[in-house]
Amino acid sequence: LAKTTQPISMDSYEGQEVNITCSHNNIATNDYITWYQQFPSQGPRFIIQGYKTKVTNEVASLFIPADRKSSTLSLPRVSLSDTAVYYCLPGNNAGNMLTFGGGTRLMVKP
Amino acid sequence: EAGVAQSPRYKIIEKRQSVAFWCNPISGHATLYWYQQILGQGPKLLIQFQNNGVVDDSQLPKDRFSAERLKGVDSTLKIQPAKLEDSAVYLCASSPLQGYSGNTIYFGEGSWLTVV
Repeated sequence: LAKTTQPISMDSYEGQEVNITCSHNNIATNDYITWYQQFPSQGPRFIIQGYKTKVTNEVASLFIPADRKSSTLSLPRVSLSDTAVYYCLPGNNAGNMLTFGGGTRLMVKP
Repeated sequence: EAGVAQSPRYKIIEKRQSVAFWCNPISGHATLYWYQQILGQGPKLLIQFQNNGVVDDSQLPKDRFSAERLKGVDSTLKIQPAKLEDSAVYLCASSPLQGYSGNTIYFGEGSWLTVV
């Protein structure tokens, strides 16, 4: 299982770009990296997924270096509503267990 | 498209009592997961079903927890007898295929259990 390490918490201000880095040193060759967002009293919600290089959608960008031992979630111009816990989750379709780490608690301030 | 449905939303029971949680995944999703999330921690996978078969239940405390997905659709997670440390949110999730290379896992809102 690919164990993940993320900062426990981060603070930011509205309008700033936020980058959250996750390390997954023992990621497997066929693992993808998925990021989830979780608000209080809700289940996690898919944000973005990638395998290598850069992926961008309407919500975020995901940067994965060539060695794939880390990934960085980039949230452009955060707002108060982006205050949440963010989890990175390496995994694949080979039936291995999908193990969440502790996540990063992002606080966006006015 | 309807999301993952869970019930009850909240439950308070005394220790040594039993409780059951129900989950209805997104229509057509073959894989169903039950997670336990203790306050302040990330979700921990308890059991994963592929249709009505168990893919992995290595982290399910089988002396007190049981889960079934008899017809490959709805699922029930039961705890009997409950302990204080079982107080947590029980999240059900589903995905179209096993694992998620290119798939997305969809979570329900969770069932909050308090054991007193």
